[in-house]
Amino acid sequence: QKEVEQDPGPLSVPEGAIVSLNCTYSNSAFQYFMWYRQYSRKGPELLMYTYSSGNKEDGRFTAQVDKSSKYISLFIRDSQPSDSATYLCARHTGANSKLTFGKGITLSVRP
Amino acid sequence: DGGITQSPKYLFRKEGQNVTLSCEQNLNHDAMYWYRQDPGQGLRLIYYSQIVNDFQKGDIAEGYSVSREKKESFPLTVTSAQKNPTAFYLCASSTRTGTGNEQFFGPGTRLTVL
Repeated sequence: QKEVEQDPGPLSVPEGAIVSLNCTYSNSAFQYFMWYRQYSRKGPELLMYTYSSGNKEDGRFTAQVDKSSKYISLFIRDSQPSDSATYLCARHTGANSKLTFGKGITLSVRP
Repeated sequence: DGGITQSPKYLFRKEGQNVTLSCEQNLNHDAMYWYRQDPGQGLRLIYYSQIVNDFQKGDIAEGYSVSREKKESFPLTVTSAQKNPTAFYLCASSTRTGTGNEQFFGPGTRLTVL
């Protein structure tokens, strides 16, 4: 079983929709979770970073971690065409700086 | 401006040739990383370095080599032993090792084997 599973999509939504992106992880020993956004042909950029259960909000973005079910989610409110990108979830091992990434989900927000 | 630069942006290689991808950072970061990205595969770690003159293999190190002679630089060589080198290569760096580090990525190099 892969350490981080992410539905590959793609996902297409109309502008203004609420988007939910989800990942599951298989090892409960690690506590750091990240969401990266990657535009086409660019390097990923860190979007959200959380290290505990519960919600973390930043503008239109909310990262949620449910450790009991080993589920991490990214919610995007009032989605915009500029949100069209690939979103990667990642988990930090804590031991030697390695990140384990999901495969990424490509989101398209239609005007 | 602080950041990570990768060069070249696009690289074409003939089969049997070694090529070296450049990665430079001026963020004063200790740790640096190389990832490979293939369509539908996410990012896979090739090599990483936590300190100058030291580096460790990642999950897919076969056919690749690195050096870390300077804190700012972490070049990756794709050797002829790498059977399927066509991919998007990403370099990253972080401020410190251990828990909680944030990795910053460069713009990537797209390597195509002809």
